[in-house]
Amino acid sequence: EVQLVESGGGLVQPGGSLRLSCVASGFTFSSYAMAWIRQAPGKGLEWVSAIHTSGSYTYYPDSVKGRFTLSRDNSKNTLYLQMNSLRADDTAVYYCARVGWMGGYDSWGQGTLVTVSS
Amino acid sequence: EIVLTQSPGTLSLSPGDRATLSCRASQSVTSGYLAWYQQKPGQAPRLLIYGASTRATGIPDRFSGSGSGTDFTLTISRLEPEDFAVFYCQQYDRSPRTFGQGTKVEIK
Repeated sequence: EVQLVESGGGLVQPGGSLRLSCVASGFTFSSYAMAWIRQAPGKGLEWVSAIHTSGSYTYYPDSVKGRFTLSRDNSKNTLYLQMNSLRADDTAVYYCARVGWMGGYDSWGQGTLVTVSS
Repeated sequence: EIVLTQSPGTLSLSPGDRATLSCRASQSVTSGYLAWYQQKPGQAPRLLIYGASTRATGIPDRFSGSGSGTDFTLTISRLEPEDFAVFYCQQYDRSPRTFGQGTKVEIK
């Protein structure tokens, strides 16, 4: 069974940093691209970042480019999202998701809540 | 950026009804690189459809997707009680990947 378990969320002050982790199991982690998607309270879904299988290529929308860094450790089946210079509008549940070979995000974690507030 | 606009915002229907959800893209989504997700309160989204019309593993055949170019549709042939939720479309043709704002299917 595919499992994705996120951790690292919490309360952080504006301008602060946080690192999220996502531990994968039940599939060959190194064979799949991975992504983070977030959802602000009561709002819709927003793609935050994606990473190639090898970790050599990463992708970000303009809203987080230069502030967030996505990486992976295939030996540990773990995905990392380093978030710096956090702002109030980064407050959201952050989901780790597997990128399906045929398209779409075919497995999701349960999410971890990040709250940016003073 | 490809903007996806979903309509209607809310659909009020009864179990057994047919639901038709629309997703319109601001630019053509080539090769049908469009997915649909279902999200229930307090849960992560679940992939229903990819490639505009292919059901994901384990998805009942009452869910179907269609469309191409800029106009896509998710149809639920007969609503079951567990189908009431929010549905999102998403394009993976171009970066940044984008989602529609969602359609809520609620019990009438």
